[in-house]
Amino acid sequence: DGGITQSPKYLFRKEGQNVTLSCEQNLNHDAMYWYRQDPGQGLRLIYYSQIVNDFQKGDIAEGYSVSREKKESFPLTVTSAQKNPTAFYLCASSMRSGGSGDTQYFGPGTRLTVL
Amino acid sequence: AQSVTQLDSQVPVFEEAPVELRCNYSSSVSVYLFWYVQYPNQGLQLLLKYLSGSTLVESINGFEAEFNKSQTSFHLRKPSVHISDTAEYFCAVSGYTGGFKTIFGAGTRLFVKA
Repeated sequence: DGGITQSPKYLFRKEGQNVTLSCEQNLNHDAMYWYRQDPGQGLRLIYYSQIVNDFQKGDIAEGYSVSREKKESFPLTVTSAQKNPTAFYLCASSMRSGGSGDTQYFGPGTRLTVL
Repeated sequence: AQSVTQLDSQVPVFEEAPVELRCNYSSSVSVYLFWYVQYPNQGLQLLLKYLSGSTLVESINGFEAEFNKSQTSFHLRKPSVHISDTAEYFCAVSGYTGGFKTIFGAGTRLFVKA
């Protein structure tokens, strides 16, 4: 089955620790995205990538980093510089960039909690 | 700049009653419009989208939305809801403004009561 997988489903982080969230897609999509979801705030874009080895900051990139070394993978690192990282993180992909009207396909999400 | 406003944060409704979830947008360019649905602790799934052509679009599970350019709205409707429709619904707008831009609304939580 084609789709997007995210791991882990739940993640706990201690203060001052970096953690990496995994996102893999087998849809052969060019574009991939990371969103943060907080209650009552909808989805906010962290980073996006339109092609391998290229990515751009979204609206709330501070304290996060990404890489896109392979078309199918777009991991997100939440660094210790992110002061309020507790949230639900969603990865998505689309055939082309979002401005084209393509549907975004979402993974099941990772819930990150800071202890 | 683009923006999306979902006018209701929560909508409680009884089973088999009709429902309307409201969405207004603002954009300086032509846009594509989407409704996504999110069930608890899951990712979002596309419900329906408007790209061009007929302003009324339908989903396979009975939802429909109408693009109204003059009122810059894309309200989602269903004539008779089921318990299984309980979820959060997100309106999104996508348009080319020199680069990527898809904006999601804050979401409307639909709660269907027996």
